[in-house]
Amino acid sequence: TQLLEQSPQFLSIQEGENLTVYCNSSSVFSSLQWYRQEPGEGPVLLVTVVTGGEVKKLKRLTFQFGDARKDSSLHITAAQPGDTGLYLCAGERGAQKLVFGQGTRLTINP
Amino acid sequence: NAGVTQTPKFRILKIGQSMTLQCTQDMNHNYMYWYRQDPGMGLKLIYYSVGAGITDKGEVPNGYNVSRSTTEDFPLRLELAAPSQTSVYFCASGGGRFQETQYFGPGTRLLVL
Repeated sequence: TQLLEQSPQFLSIQEGENLTVYCNSSSVFSSLQWYRQEPGEGPVLLVTVVTGGEVKKLKRLTFQFGDARKDSSLHITAAQPGDTGLYLCAGERGAQKLVFGQGTRLTINP
Repeated sequence: NAGVTQTPKFRILKIGQSMTLQCTQDMNHNYMYWYRQDPGMGLKLIYYSVGAGITDKGEVPNGYNVSRSTTEDFPLRLELAAPSQTSVYFCASGGGRFQETQYFGPGTRLLVL
């Protein structure tokens, strides 16, 4: 049973399009982190959201934490080929222990 | 600026063999973690440590052992390798405080045949 469900698992779109990735759970987390992973490398933290309803922007990436702190979304505006990668959400549950979603593999075609 | 380093990068094991995956961090972090990443399954926590001499189980500890004799090193031991342990293993470290970033190593790809 996956505690954090990400959707879609795979997404392939054209450069310039917008997209949204979702991370859903029935559990409440103290914080929600988004990571990006390149092939052959470890995940790298993009952002941490803490407060219910919080919205954070990182250039063309917008992250939102649900009001109940059970879900989150990542929206990319005008996607570029450099955005290609595996995007992982992770919920924090004490002692900095993270529970990861299964990931969304994003491909941006030129 | 090494961060978290892992060795080896890739290893093939036969069923029943044993090996140790090495992990070293140079950021003086108290917290260290071992995860495994299977295709399409995200990362699962195997073991973690909150400081030298202190370790605890994560979600999937069976078949693995760890030790933490120094702040810098957190080796992961596989005693009797099984095909189910074929995976990519990531070590991470962090300060342990709420919201703090975890820094991941580049991973060790393990194939058990």
